[in-house]
Amino acid sequence: QKEVEQNSGPLSVPEGAIASLNCTYSDRGSQSFFWYRQYSGKSPELIMSIYSNGDKEDGRFTAQLNKASQYVSLLIRDSQPSDSATYLCAVGGSNYKLTFGKGTLLTVNP
Amino acid sequence: SAVISQKPSRDICQRGTSLTIQCQVDSQVTMMFWYRQQPGQSLTLIATANQGSEATYESGFVIDKFPISRPNLTFSTLTVSNMSPEDSSIYLCSVLLEGAYGYTFGSGTRLTVV
Repeated sequence: QKEVEQNSGPLSVPEGAIASLNCTYSDRGSQSFFWYRQYSGKSPELIMSIYSNGDKEDGRFTAQLNKASQYVSLLIRDSQPSDSATYLCAVGGSNYKLTFGKGTLLTVNP
Repeated sequence: SAVISQKPSRDICQRGTSLTIQCQVDSQVTMMFWYRQQPGQSLTLIATANQGSEATYESGFVIDKFPISRPNLTFSTLTVSNMSPEDSSIYLCSVLLEGAYGYTFGSGTRLTVV
C-alpha cells in the first residue's frame, strides 16, 4: 500500500512569511512528485513538479526533494492571503498513477 | 493550454439511481484518470481509462458500480450506479497533457445522494 503523509495543519503564517509544507512517501520506486493547491470548492491546481533530488524554484515557490529520506517539501516565500488553501502532495510511480496525501490547510493572515 | 470540461458540475440524485459524468478534453490524451474526493478527504483514484481497452480499476472500486467508457482520445464518461448516500463526493477527471509537467484536473462534479 503506497502512502503519502502530510501534516493536516492548519498551518498559519503571517503575510510575508515563509510557509513550509512537508510530505513523506512510502514507495522508494516513486519517480514523480507534485504539489497541488486546492481552494475550497475548487479542483486541484498544479503548482510545482519535481523529479530529481534537490531544489526547484518557480517564482515564490520552491520544491525540495530528497529521495534517500523519501521526503518532499514546498516552500512559499512572501506568503500572501491568496495563498490560503489546502496543499496536496502527490507522488507518482512508473504506471502514471498518482497517490495523494490528505493535504495541509494553509492560512496566511494579513 | 488545453481545456478539460467536466459536466455536470453538480447534481442531487435519489438513492438507487445512476449518474453519468462526462469529461471532454480539447486535445488528444492517452490516459484519463477518474478520482473521488469525499468530504474533507484527499483524492482517491477510482480507475484509469485508456482508449481502446477496458478501464483499470483500483482496489475497492468495481466496474459494476463505476462503469467507464472511453470511446476516443478526447472523451470519457464515469457512471456512478445504484447510488447510496455514501457515494456523495466530488468526482474529478484528470489527464496528463502532452508537454505538460503535471496532471491537469477537470472542474469536478459535486454529487449529493439523498
